[in-house]
Amino acid sequence: AQTVTQSQPEMSVQEAETVTLSCTYDTSENNYYLFWYKQPPSRQMILVIRQEAYKQQNATENRFSVNFQKAAKSFSLKISDSQLGDTAMYFCAFMKPVSQGNLIFGKGTKLSVKP
Amino acid sequence: DVKVTQSSRYLVKRTGEKVFLECVQDMDHENMFWYRQDPGLGLRLIYFSYDVKMKEKGDIPEGYSVSREKKERFSLILESASTNQTSMYLCASSFLRDSGNTIYFGEGSWLTVV
Repeated sequence: AQTVTQSQPEMSVQEAETVTLSCTYDTSENNYYLFWYKQPPSRQMILVIRQEAYKQQNATENRFSVNFQKAAKSFSLKISDSQLGDTAMYFCAFMKPVSQGNLIFGKGTKLSVKP
Repeated sequence: DVKVTQSSRYLVKRTGEKVFLECVQDMDHENMFWYRQDPGLGLRLIYFSYDVKMKEKGDIPEGYSVSREKKERFSLILESASTNQTSMYLCASSFLRDSGNTIYFGEGSWLTVV
């Protein structure tokens, strides 16, 4: 069975600085998808970034980028130039291609951006 | 924009009551999901459906059932609510036909069972 581990329950960062959130996963699959979701205090879960395991290039979306290390089964999220609006719970998630879209989530990291 | 709407944001129910949580999506998605979110546990899948009248158990189906009579609507049913079902419930949807699809979430329903 697949598992997703986020080892940092809480983190904080100063506004405008860079922060990295960790995620590791365990799977015997060779092809899969990885996601980072953000859940701000309003509770709406929003997709931040998506990575396909067969792509070597790390995904990037504006200030958000990932460091995908397939051999190490590591998928960290880097937030550059942190903004107050980045304050949220961040969830790492794993999906098998033939799972009909079922996501397996980590337990989340609560990120606080301080002014 | 994709919209997943959960009709009830906050509910308070008594132990033993039958509870319906409704979810509607407007993007013609085949897949629909119900997750439960608890502090320190993340999100756990209760049930999902990939077509009308089809359902599959997730990781924690006990005490829950679901109904999907129309493609756009997916209901979560607590036949006899218990206090340990106090939680945040999240509905989600996605397309079936492509792998690795983005899953879109509703705003969540806070259920308190007293």
